[in-house]
Amino acid sequence: DVKVTQSSRYLVKRTGEKVFLECVQDMDHENMFWYRQDPGLGLRLIYFSYDVKMKEKGDIPEGYSVSREKKERFSLILESASTNQTSMYLCASGTRTGTDTQYFGPGTRLTVL
Amino acid sequence: RKEVEQDPGPFNVPEGATVAFNCTYSNSASQSFFWYRQDCRKEPKLLMSVYSSGNEDGRFTAQLNRASQYISLLIRDSKLSDSATYLCAVPTGGFKTIFGAGTRLFVKA
Repeated sequence: DVKVTQSSRYLVKRTGEKVFLECVQDMDHENMFWYRQDPGLGLRLIYFSYDVKMKEKGDIPEGYSVSREKKERFSLILESASTNQTSMYLCASGTRTGTDTQYFGPGTRLTVL
Repeated sequence: RKEVEQDPGPFNVPEGATVAFNCTYSNSASQSFFWYRQDCRKEPKLLMSVYSSGNEDGRFTAQLNRASQYISLLIRDSKLSDSATYLCAVPTGGFKTIFGAGTRLFVKA
């Protein structure tokens, strides 16, 4: 059974803090993605990675960075958290073709106070 | 125009009803399409994929209309457990997939 795990289900941080969200997949997928999901806006792509140490900006990369040192792990970093980054963060993985399905982790609900 | 658009609903239907959602997409070159189901406070999970004209799985039927650039999801004999948000997803041909904002369905007893 495919599995994508995220380091935290719920996280509360203060404005200005550095935040790390970690995602691990056990399917040997090449592609990994970070999205945020907000009511009425749907899933918006922050960053994605198609290989180890490779990363590409998505639609809303500002205020975020990512790291992919190992194939199975993709980290999202908020360098200095702000209240407008309060959201649900979803990690996903998928095969290299890019036309296949994506498998999502359970999500991290981040609140920035 | 958004790349992928869905009617947000909510659709409120009684058990046993048939309900259909549409999803329009702007990229005429798109070749594959997906419907995901997302339960409240859970992650999206694949429901169905559509690579040609359509796909059927039990009570669920997905259809593709390339001329009008939309896909539809039909649910027959609705169950209470079908209550969820249904997301349409369209890969761009690169590594990205564009997701619709979702259609909420409530099935009532």
